[in-house]
Amino acid sequence: GDSVTQMEGPVTLSEEAFLTINCTYTATGYPSLFWYVQYPGEGLQLLLKATKADDKGSNKGFEATYRKETTSFHLEKGSVQVSDSAVYFCALRNTGNQFYFGTGTSLTVIP
Amino acid sequence: DAGVIQSPRHEVTEMGQEVTLRCKPISGHNSLFWYRQTMMRGLELLIYFNNNVPIDDSGMPEDRFSAKMPNASFSTLKIQPSEPRDSAVYFCASAVPYYEQYFGPGTRLTVT
Repeated sequence: GDSVTQMEGPVTLSEEAFLTINCTYTATGYPSLFWYVQYPGEGLQLLLKATKADDKGSNKGFEATYRKETTSFHLEKGSVQVSDSAVYFCALRNTGNQFYFGTGTSLTVIP
Repeated sequence: DAGVIQSPRHEVTEMGQEVTLRCKPISGHNSLFWYRQTMMRGLELLIYFNNNVPIDDSGMPEDRFSAKMPNASFSTLKIQPSEPRDSAVYFCASAVPYYEQYFGPGTRLTVT
């Protein structure tokens, strides 16, 4: 079946460090891919998305490129801030409109 | 738009009591999802509706859980009787089919 696998956390970085959170997926056809962010005590918020191969989603300095050849959608940010501390979820929506979420990766950024 | 609205935001109840969680999806969204989030099991899909009809309830843990969507603007998730292991944050999300989901702020349920 379809699924999403993302890197285990927690991840701890110093402010201004480079961030990569790996995400790979398994799906038939051409799913849409998403990154969601969850701040403490809040619901998940859409961070960025990509709907077809080679698309790059970007928002708030975060980027992810839909790589069909490697079935990946890694999240990157060049310089993290303390305010980026949150849990990040990779997700896919398949052609049957079913959603699958990864297990989440907790990020803590220290000053 | 106000986004997805959930109530109550916090619920504390005793084991054996009935609990009802409520959700108002974003207007125009005709897909609605209920999730449960715990530290141990992460984010779990319980049930989802399309056009008020339950499409997949395979994630509903047991018969104590039930969900309804009587109209396009309201859904409930009921637990009866509640047990301590039901303690979790319950999220409702809505979507236009084939677009991203929008999550509500969640209901934190504590069963003592």
